[in-house]
Parts: sequence; structure tokens; C-alpha cells
Amino acid sequence: GQQVMQIPQYQHVQEGEDFTTYCNSSTTLSNIQWYKQRPGGHPVFLIQLVKSGEVKKQKRLTFQFGEAKKNSSLHITATQTTDVGTYFCAGVYNFNKFYFGSGTKLNVKP
Amino acid sequence: SAVISQKPSRDICQRGTSLTIQCQVDSQVTMMFWYRQQPGQSLTLIATANQGSEATYESGFVIDKFPISRPNLTFSTLTVSNMSPEDSSIYLCSVEGGLAVYNEQFFGPGTRLTVL
Repeated sequence: GQQVMQIPQYQHVQEGEDFTTYCNSSTTLSNIQWYKQRPGGHPVFLIQLVKSGEVKKQKRLTFQFGEAKKNSSLHITATQTTDVGTYFCAGVYNFNKFYFGSGTKLNVKP
Repeated sequence: SAVISQKPSRDICQRGTSLTIQCQVDSQVTMMFWYRQQPGQSLTLIATANQGSEATYESGFVIDKFPISRPNLTFSTLTVSNMSPEDSSIYLCSVEGGLAVYNEQFFGPGTRLTVL
């Protein structure tokens, strides 16, 4: 069945350093979504990527979708303490099947 | 966006009992989803609930253990039946937003369940 792998599991950075999390799917995705979950909170939608090779930016966050639509990355430039949380990718298959990656827990030291 | 509420927000239950979790949305939605998230883990889809039809369960989840109701377009319930400590988890409902083919999901605040 479909599976979305996400690495790394944890990342500890000093405030101001960059951060990247990667997602890989064993099969081609319809699209991919990214969510952020703050400690004690629920997942909140960040962005959706649909097109092969797509790149989208939200302020310090850059999202990429691979050419083969099997992998994606989220890059945060110059992390801040407000970036703390767990970042999940969600691979979408066949219109409505969401498979969440295992998540990357980001800790930012001030 | 959709505003979603869940009841209860948390509960502590005894082994062998059942708990029904309610999910209310502030607008009509076609599909509602129920997820389980164990502490520090990812989200696992339990089932998809459509109004007027039986829920569609994912592999590893069965209706006898997790019966779902979807009486209208703004409400759904998930029951965790005959609970064991392994059922201790956060249960979240979600809905799709927008009219596009691929939609982001909006999540409720979750129900934190502890089974003793």
C-alpha cells in the first residue's frame, strides 16, 4: 500500500539556523500537503503542491514538489522559536486518500 | 475555512467501556474523517464518514470496534468500543475545505483518551 516516509524524525537547531524536512512516497502522488502541529495542538494546513516540480514560498518557508511527484521538501530559512512544532507532509492519492508522513519534530533553541 | 469542535476534549475511561466522541462543523461538508494520533506519532486515518452511507474504514480498523454515525452534513460521532489501554490516543476529526478536487483538511482540536 501507499506509504509516505519523512526524515528526519527530530531536528534541533539554534535560532537563526536553517531547517529542512523531506518526504518520499513509494508511488506517484496526486498532490502533497504540508501541515504544522504545535505542541498540544492539532495539525494546521500550510500549503498544497500539485504540479510536478512546483516550488512555493511562504515568507521564510519554501516548499518543493519533485519532478516525479514522489518527493517533497519543506525548508525554513533562519528559524525562529515560533517555528517550533512537528511538520507533517500528507501524500494524496486517488483524490481523497491522505497518508500522513511520520512527521519531523523541530526544536529551536533561542 | 471550517470551524470544528469536538466533545469531550479529554476523558479517562475504564477498560471494557465505550466512549462516543462528537464532532461538530460550522458548515455543511460532504466528507468527514476520523484520525487517531498516538503520543508523538503521526496521524492514522481510521475511516471516512459520508452522510447517508456507511463509513469507509481503513485497513486495521473495523466497524464493530469504531462505529461511526453521520446523521447530517455538519455532525459525526466516533465510538471507541470495548476499550483497552492500547486505545489510549488522541482522536481527531477533520473535514475538507474548498471546492477544488484536492482540498486541504481542517482538524478539530482532538479528544485525548486515556484508558486505564
